[in-house]
Formats: sequence, C-alpha cells, structure tokens
Amino acid sequence: KAGVTQTPRYLIKTRGQQVTLSCSPISGHRSVSWYQQTPGQGLQFLFEYFSETQRNKGNFPGRFSGRQFSNSRSEMNVSTLELGDSALYLCASSSGQGYNEQFFGPGTRLTVL
Amino acid sequence: GENVEQHPSTLSVQEGDSAVIKCTYSDSASNYFPWYKQELGKRPQLIIDIRSNVGEKKDQRIAVTLNKTAKHFSLHITETQPEDSAVYFCAASHYDKVIFGPGTSLSVIP
Repeated sequence: KAGVTQTPRYLIKTRGQQVTLSCSPISGHRSVSWYQQTPGQGLQFLFEYFSETQRNKGNFPGRFSGRQFSNSRSEMNVSTLELGDSALYLCASSSGQGYNEQFFGPGTRLTVL
Repeated sequence: GENVEQHPSTLSVQEGDSAVIKCTYSDSASNYFPWYKQELGKRPQLIIDIRSNVGEKKDQRIAVTLNKTAKHFSLHITETQPEDSAVYFCAASHYDKVIFGPGTSLSVIP
C-alpha cells in the first residue's frame, strides 16, 4: 500500500495570506487527523475527519479549518496567516475504528514571513 | 481540556542501560495509549501501544505499563542501542482524538 502523502512539502507565505494543505490517506483509511508540530509545543492536535465529517476538534482558533472529500482525501486551510503559524503540519490516517495506529505523512513545512 | 504530561523532556543514557519515560493524562475517557518514535527529519512512527483493559505489554526490548486509576503510563526500553536515539511521544486517545505529550528527546551514548 502507498503511504500517506502530503502536498506541498514546503510553503512560504506572508502574514495575512491564506494557505491550503492537502493530505491523501492510505487506501481504505477513513480517518484523517491533522497536527501542528513546533519545537516548543510538540504535536498539537488540530482536528480529525471521518467519513467527510469533523469528528474531533482541538483548541485552535477558527482560522484553522479543514474538510474531507468522499475519497477520504483531506485539506486543511489556514486563513489570515500569523508569524506563529510557522510550523510543520502533519496529517495522519487510520481506519477510524479506534484502537488503531495512525500513519503519518511526511508533513508540510510552512514558513510565514 | 485534555492534557498529556511527559517526563523527562530530555534523557541521556549509556548504551546498554535502560530508559524510562513517564506520562500522565487527564481525560478519563482515554482508552488507547500509543507511543511514537520520531527520528530527526522523519515522521513519527508507532513503536508500541496499549489498550485500557491491559496493564502491561512487552515487545522485545520495549515495554509499556498502564495504571488507569492513577492515569499514569510508562515506556521502558532495555539494553538501549544508539539507534534508539530519537524523540519519543506518548499519547492518550479516545475515538481517534489523539492527544500527544510534549516529547522526550532520548540520547544513547555509545
């Protein structure tokens, strides 16, 4: 099986812009979760989508949003970018049935100038 | 909100010694506790996990223990090797909402 893929791998944006990141899960996986990883904060949970519905949500502002398509691919959008949004954004897929390993993608490195 | 604490933040051991990482969680509904290893520049990968109805699980040199009453769980690595050097994350999960601890940077000195 192909692994989890994320595009783009690198992005440079300026403050105030918006950005969309994409994640393609492992075939057959219906759950996609998004995380923000920074050196000081570790892996922060953004949200989880299952069968096109947001099932779980972390404690991030409304500028962070996402969606999932019928083929389980997911996108994450960040509007009105701030310097503090610079981070590695990881997505992870799983079967979504609980007790299941999450498989991570390589991440998208976002730099906000 | 849900929170997972992890200690220590950094750990340095001699090759062949044991390493122990401890975590506590706040959400009583958590029922699945995975541990991930992240090598520099790579994505996190699952190394071992434990469900809430199990107190201990072992896989070769790695073992996890869980105390649900105290909301504590620990990772034990025996006979450490240089390739064990990485950042280790504990996590507590309930229905695929996975909350990670801040990570432990483990260095194994040859």
